Amino acid sequence: DTAVSQTPKYLVTQMGNDKSIKCEQNLGHDTMYWYKQDSKKFLKIMFSYNNKELIINETVPNRFSPKSPDKAHLNLHINSLELGDSAVYFCASRPRDSGNTIYFGEGSWLTVV
Amino acid sequence: DQQVKQNSPSLSVQEGRISILNCDYTNSMFDYFLWYKKYPAEGPTFLISISSIKDKNEDGRFTVFLNKSAKHLSLHIVPSQPGDSAVYFCAASAANFGNEKLTFGTGTRLTIIP
Repeated sequence: DTAVSQTPKYLVTQMGNDKSIKCEQNLGHDTMYWYKQDSKKFLKIMFSYNNKELIINETVPNRFSPKSPDKAHLNLHINSLELGDSAVYFCASRPRDSGNTIYFGEGSWLTVV
Repeated sequence: DQQVKQNSPSLSVQEGRISILNCDYTNSMFDYFLWYKKYPAEGPTFLISISSIKDKNEDGRFTVFLNKSAKHLSLHIVPSQPGDSAVYFCAASAANFGNEKLTFGTGTRLTIIP
């Protein structure tokens, strides 16, 4: 059973398209995240949600819109995809009393051509 | 501005010997540090953490050391095993960030030589 699962794992799409990446966690965690790992291997936070409420928006372009229908799901929708959006996107979650330990999904490899 | 740095992109160690991975940080507000391990095509998995009130934390073969004055932490793996071959990320967070945000280094690829 995958604790933090995200789909699709691989996505190749053309510039200008709109795409979504879905994330679900079955751990009962309150907080969920999206992180991005770019071509230089930097792993940086994009968004954080706590119980469906946006907590962190790390100066991400408006083309990126997270949606949390419930605290077990945090989806990422990207409009008008650009070449620079090619990266690995990791969903993660954190329980209330874990300190700062977060648990990652397996990643979604997005390639924009 | 890279607040967490792992200056060695790669490290090779003989099986059975000690692996030492290093991490430096610049933000003195960081008070909690973590190490994550990542295999290819998988997400990072949590390995070990340390709070700034400690200078050492040990879990089996893994020990993390924190030197606050030098703003330096290290991960020791002993004895090293082939399954330890992976990319290791150092991460840090600060209470005044609301404990919500981890800042990561760029990773060190560890290769254990049989």
